[in-house]
Amino acid sequence: AQKVTQAQTEISVVEKEDVTLDCVYETRDTTYYLFWYKQPPSGELVFLIRRNSFDEQNEISGRYSWNFQKSTSSFNFTITASQVVDSAVYFCALSETDTGRRALTFGSGTRLQVQP
Amino acid sequence: DTEVTQTPKHLVMGMTNKKSLKCEQHMGHRAMYWYKQKAKKPPELMFVYSYEKLSINESVPSRFSPECPNSSLLNLHLHALQPEDSALYLCASSQKEGPMNTEAFFGQGTRLTVV
Repeated sequence: AQKVTQAQTEISVVEKEDVTLDCVYETRDTTYYLFWYKQPPSGELVFLIRRNSFDEQNEISGRYSWNFQKSTSSFNFTITASQVVDSAVYFCALSETDTGRRALTFGSGTRLQVQP
Repeated sequence: DTEVTQTPKHLVMGMTNKKSLKCEQHMGHRAMYWYKQKAKKPPELMFVYSYEKLSINESVPSRFSPECPNSSLLNLHLHALQPEDSALYLCASSQKEGPMNTEAFFGQGTRLTVV
């Protein structure tokens, strides 16, 4: 069965610090998709990134970067020079194809608090 | 328009009430989803509609009844709920159902309290 683990329940940093959110996943599929979503206090989930299992290139988008390593089944998310507006709950999620589990399976989330 | 709109934003209902949650998108997406999120927990999938047909029901109790009247609208009819059903109900849409290889757009949710 697929599983997504976000071991960090809550992280608190001071503005301008870099912070990495960890995500480890389990799947038996060879084709799968990994996602990161941000959930601010307002409630909606905001899509950040999707990565398929055949694309291990790291990605950078502004202050955000993602490190996908199939060898360790990890898809970590780094925020550089954090800002107060980054405060939110961040979810890592997995979608499989081979086993038909197509909808998102979410990790338990990491609450990030960025202090001014 | 890249929005998923959910109404109402807040709902308080008694255990004998019947109410409905509404979700609307105008992005031409053909897959729509209902998720339930309890406090400090991740969202849990409830239902998936693909091309207006129910595709996935995650063994949700019958007191929750989904409906997809057209490709832009998704309803969740509620009847005889229990206090433990209090949660944030999130609607999402994506271009199609499948391996979720297109990002899902989420609404802001309806915060439901059952008293």
